[in-house]
Amino acid sequence: DSGVTQTPKHLITATGQRVTLRCSPRSGDLSVYWYQQSLDQGLQFLIQYYNGEERAKGNILERFSAQQFPDLHSELNLSSLELGDSALYFCASSPRPPDTQYFGPGTRLTVL
Amino acid sequence: GESVGLHLPTLSVQEGDNSIINCAYSNSASDYFIWYKQESGKGPQFIIDIRSNMDKRQGQRVTVLLNKTVKHLSLQIAATQPGDSAVYFCAETNTGGFKTIFGAGTRLFVKA
Repeated sequence: DSGVTQTPKHLITATGQRVTLRCSPRSGDLSVYWYQQSLDQGLQFLIQYYNGEERAKGNILERFSAQQFPDLHSELNLSSLELGDSALYFCASSPRPPDTQYFGPGTRLTVL
Repeated sequence: GESVGLHLPTLSVQEGDNSIINCAYSNSASDYFIWYKQESGKGPQFIIDIRSNMDKRQGQRVTVLLNKTVKHLSLQIAATQPGDSAVYFCAETNTGGFKTIFGAGTRLFVKA
């Protein structure tokens, strides 16, 4: 158990819908990262926050947005969902970048 | 895009043999490197890391080698066990930077 929690574990929804994925970092970690992993693919970096501020952006679609709250938990919002958005979404946290990232168990999103 | 691998390279080894997994990193400015292990359906798990002022680091049954001249990392697993079967990712980042780039991953199969 890495200490990073993600909810929900599974999410099934329809195209065009909007979902919110939630992440609680390890106690004391200020940095949160979001990744997307499609079937049998590597980890695609989406976005990173440090102490509430956005610090780095990867290949994140405009339909996706995220934020980190004062209590350091983070949410990833995915809107106008498409079939291709079906994937595992991982959150990771670290004390500060570029420390080792500790990953949560992931949220499996299925868009039908 | 970064770190996308449609067809993961695969390494198949006999139980008890040593395994070597290789990774070519992309950014000569990267100075911190991490190996992660990902089992099916789980989040990546930290194995070992190395900073650029070192060329070798040993852990329990694992060794990471860094060759900055050719931008190459390797992970050596001694006496490979069935429980080592997983996908292994290398990751690179740099001090002061906030983006971590993951390699495409290598799938390790351990034959009993």
